[in-house]
Amino acid sequence: DVQLVESGGGLVKPGGSLRLSCAASEFTFSSYSMNWVRQAPGKGLEWVSSLSGDTYYIFYADSVKGRFTISRDNAKNSLYLQMNSLRAEDSAVYYCAREPCSGNKCDGFDYWGQGTLVTVSS
Amino acid sequence: QSVLTQPPSASGTPGQRVTISCSGGSSNIGSNTVHWYQQIPGTAPKLLISSDNQRPSGVPDRFSDSKSGTSASLAISGLQSEDEADYYCAAWDDSLKGRLFGGGTKLTVL
Repeated sequence: DVQLVESGGGLVKPGGSLRLSCAASEFTFSSYSMNWVRQAPGKGLEWVSSLSGDTYYIFYADSVKGRFTISRDNAKNSLYLQMNSLRAEDSAVYYCAREPCSGNKCDGFDYWGQGTLVTVSS
Repeated sequence: QSVLTQPPSASGTPGQRVTISCSGGSSNIGSNTVHWYQQIPGTAPKLLISSDNQRPSGVPDRFSDSKSGTSASLAISGLQSEDEADYYCAAWDDSLKGRLFGGGTKLTVL
């Protein structure tokens, strides 16, 4: 079965940094676009960033642009999110999610990890 | 505030048909596919409807979607107690160059 396992969350002070990881298994990782989606406590889903399988296409939400960096290591079947200059409003559960895409057509986030909690507080 | 607008709540009795709306604009719903997700509190979201009204394996055909212009709807027929969850629409936005989620609709089965 497809598995996505996030790690790296925790408590960090405002202005601090954190690196999230997502370990993928049981599918051809390099063939899929990968995404980070977050959910603040009691709130809705917010898309954070997307990275195509070949790393050609990279997109960020305006709320994190310039502070967060998405990357992947296809040899290690892993997705990353480097988060710098963290703010209280970045506190959320961060999910990684897989999306099959063919050309410009993408079919939705078909598999999600269980999430990792990031808390930004002094 | 989400650019994709959903009602915060919806409800129905077992067996009923309920619809959840998602309103957007020409740069998102008007020109891109809408996806729908179900999230039971405390768990990760689950894809309900992918492109062209396709349902992933395991999603019952009681779930269907439609789109007209800049609005989309999720319909759930034969409502069951297990359908009680939060539902989100999502679409790519060509202007923002990003994925948008609606604010979510909490469905209660009475």
